[in-house]
Amino acid sequence: KQEVTQIPAALSVPEGENLVLNCSFTDSAIYNLQWFRQDPGKGLTSLLLIQSSQREQTSGRLNASLDKSSGRSTLYIAASQPGDSATYLCAVRSWAGGTSYGKLTFGQGTILTVHP
Amino acid sequence: DAGVIQSPRHEVTEMGQEVTLRCKPISGHDYLFWYRQTMMRGLELLIYFNNNVPIDDSGMPEDRFSAKMPNASFSTLKIQPSEPRDSAVYFCASSSLPRPVLTDTQYFGPGTRLTVL
Repeated sequence: KQEVTQIPAALSVPEGENLVLNCSFTDSAIYNLQWFRQDPGKGLTSLLLIQSSQREQTSGRLNASLDKSSGRSTLYIAASQPGDSATYLCAVRSWAGGTSYGKLTFGQGTILTVHP
Repeated sequence: DAGVIQSPRHEVTEMGQEVTLRCKPISGHDYLFWYRQTMMRGLELLIYFNNNVPIDDSGMPEDRFSAKMPNASFSTLKIQPSEPRDSAVYFCASSSLPRPVLTDTQYFGPGTRLTVL
């Protein structure tokens, strides 16, 4: 059974700081990995998706890396801003074979607070 | 597109009552997912549909939970009878599966916050 762990559970940083969120998973037979953002009382918004054959993906100030063999991913946020404050969730798509749709398993999330 | 639409946004009910949550996926998406989020267990997949057909319901906690998708634009998640431990935020998500490279992402609705007293 796939298990996804995120460290730290919470993080508070001053504005402008670069930061790293960590995600680890127990079964390396994944199809892809996604990072989501969740604002209080809202649904999830997909930030980045990394296919299992890829090493990293970038979007603006966000960079996500994937090391499938070691079961790890990191989300790097550059020059953090108060608007980045949210919960960040990592989710892995299990490999279901062929073109079948494997299920997403989520981590518990990291609560990020960026203070001015 | 308005995104994934869920109703109601908040539901408060008493133990033993029937609860029905509704979801309208993004037009053209052929996959629909129901998730439950609690502080204790995080975000868990309950069931998902492909082309209106339930594919994997292994996450449905027990027989009190049922889900249907009568057409491509509507799905319901029903709890009967409801219990206090069902209190959670229930999310609906939809996606499409482009081929040959499966680069899909799921789009989440705003969720329904359910409180069972």
